[in-house]
Amino acid sequence: DVQLVESGGGLVKPGGSLTLSCAASGFTFANAWMNWVRQAPGKGLEWVGRIKSKDDGETRDYATFVKGGFYISRDDSRNTLYLEMHRLQTDDTAVYYCATEDIMISGVGLDYWGQGTLVTVSS
Amino acid sequence: QSVLTQTPSASGTPGQRVIISCSGSSSNIGTNTVNWHHQLPGTAPKLLIYSNNQRPSGVPDRFSGSKSGTSASLAISGLQSEDEADYYCAAWDDSLNGWVFGGGTKLTVL
Repeated sequence: DVQLVESGGGLVKPGGSLTLSCAASGFTFANAWMNWVRQAPGKGLEWVGRIKSKDDGETRDYATFVKGGFYISRDDSRNTLYLEMHRLQTDDTAVYYCATEDIMISGVGLDYWGQGTLVTVSS
Repeated sequence: QSVLTQTPSASGTPGQRVIISCSGSSSNIGTNTVNWHHQLPGTAPKLLIYSNNQRPSGVPDRFSGSKSGTSASLAISGLQSEDEADYYCAAWDDSLNGWVFGGGTKLTVL
């Protein structure tokens, strides 16, 4: 079974940094395009960005709000996805989910999601 | 403000049919397929419908999707209490070069 387990969330002060991890299992991680999606408390889903597989150039795409403050990376040897977040602001407070793309079938979109990790930005 | 537009809430009684709509533009729904995700209270989102009208394995055929032009809809027939959840439409946006979501529709089973 596909399993995605996020970790690394917690309380951070405005202007601070945090790195989230997503441990993947149950599929060939190296071939997968991986995404981060966040959800502020009581709000809807907001796509953060994605990283393609190494075979597809490991290209990164980011949401317009990211503005260079976030960086997505992957370690295929550890089956792990990362999200480095810098210059965090209070409106970055959210549950951060990692999600696979097109694992189930080509063209299916965001198909499997982790349980999420909560990031709270507060002084 | 979400790129895709959904009505914030919908409701129905057990056994009824409910339709949730999603409106976008030519750069997202007009060009690409639509997915629907549902999120039960306190849990992670889960894929419900992909490629406009396809159900992943395990999703009951009570759930169906359709798309026309720059709009899409999710129909739930034979409404059950366990269908009470938030429903989100999603599509790739060619202009933004990213995934975009609707603001979500909270479905209440009365």
